[in-house]
Amino acid sequence: DAGVIQSPRHEVTEMGQEVTLRCKPISGHNSLFWYRQTMMRGLELLIYFNNNVPIDDSGMPEDRFSAKMPNASFSTLKIQPSEPRDSAVYFCASSARGDYGYTFGSGTRLTVV
Amino acid sequence: GENVEQHPSTLSVQEGDSAVIKCTYSDSASNYFPWYKQELGKRPQLIIDIRSNVGEKKDQRIAVTLNKTAKHFSLHITETQPEDSAVYFCAASIRGSQGNLIFGKGTKLSVKP
Repeated sequence: DAGVIQSPRHEVTEMGQEVTLRCKPISGHNSLFWYRQTMMRGLELLIYFNNNVPIDDSGMPEDRFSAKMPNASFSTLKIQPSEPRDSAVYFCASSARGDYGYTFGSGTRLTVV
Repeated sequence: GENVEQHPSTLSVQEGDSAVIKCTYSDSASNYFPWYKQELGKRPQLIIDIRSNVGEKKDQRIAVTLNKTAKHFSLHITETQPEDSAVYFCAASIRGSQGNLIFGKGTKLSVKP
């Protein structure tokens, strides 16, 4: 299994531009999580899905952030418009029912200038 | 909601010594407590976890203990090696891996040869 796959690995964009981060969970995993990691705030949960349905999006900072999971093998996190304070590493993770561990992707390092 | 406190934020030990990292949680309904290791520039990786029906779990040089009454859990690493140097995160969840993992702020462990 290739694990959780995220793309792109690095993204540099200008303030005001739209950014889309992508995630492919491990096949068979039915929960998917988006986290943001910064030095100041550590690992923060943004949103998670069970069986493609958003369960808790209370961590999404503001309306500029949106996430979708159109099917069991794909999810996107979109920021529109992006701001410099959105610069962080964004991790996607997935887990399977009965398996208590999360598997994280390699992350997307986002820099907004 | 759940809040996880982790101490210390940095820890430096000599190779061969033991290292202990402690976490406390606030929600008595939490039932799953994983520990993740994150090397510089890499993804967090699950190293050990414990469920609320168990008081201690060991895996070679690492062990985790849980005190449900006091709502704290600890990671113990014995015979530390330079490759143990990393940031370690504790986390807690009330729904296992199908729910929201709340992470501590992390402990940067440095093992000096």
